[in-house]
Amino acid sequence: AQSVTQLDSHVSVSEGTPVLLRCNYSSSYSPSLFWYVQHPNKGLQLLLKYTSAATLVKGINGFEAEFKKSETSFHLTKPSAHMSDAAEYFCVVTPGGTGFQKLVFGTGTRLLVSP
Amino acid sequence: GAGVSQSPRYKVAKRGQDVALRCDPISGHVSLFWYQQALGQGPEFLTYFQNEAQLDKSGLPSDRFFAERPEGSVSTLKIQRTQQEDSAVYLCASSKRTSGGKSSYEQYFGPGTRLTVT
Repeated sequence: AQSVTQLDSHVSVSEGTPVLLRCNYSSSYSPSLFWYVQHPNKGLQLLLKYTSAATLVKGINGFEAEFKKSETSFHLTKPSAHMSDAAEYFCVVTPGGTGFQKLVFGTGTRLLVSP
Repeated sequence: GAGVSQSPRYKVAKRGQDVALRCDPISGHVSLFWYQQALGQGPEFLTYFQNEAQLDKSGLPSDRFFAERPEGSVSTLKIQRTQQEDSAVYLCASSKRTSGGKSSYEQYFGPGTRLTVT
């Protein structure tokens, strides 16, 4: 079975400082991994995805994530936080390969950005 | 272009009432998913359609939950005899397809319907 663990329920940073949101995954197969962002009263938006191509994945709004199989990790980073980055972030896994792709979400990390 | 839309955005139901939640997927998207997001939690899978066929309903929490997509486009999630534990945000997502080809895996989400059962 697939699962993800988001290691921090809340992360607080100052505007202009780096962001690190941590995620570890468990999967019996070569997984596909995603990060989604959820702003209040808005739908989930895909930030980036890893599907067994390059291990360093670049997404929208300056975010990137690195797939590390040896550590079973897929941490999300951004060099410099903006106030608009404040939101809930979800790490997501699917089993990979062909077939039905049910998304399995982590419990989320709330990113707080202070001026 | 138009994204996934859901209606109503907010629904308050008294315990025991039936509710129906609507999802309009992106035009041409073959696959449609329903997820339930409880307060402070990540979304959890409920059910999946490919066109009009419901291929997986393993996440539906009880037989009070029923979903349909009769013409392979709009979908309705129905909850009968609502209970307080049904209070959650119900999210709908669609994708072009889910089998074959990595680029087809992206699911586009609607804004959700917040259901409150009193």
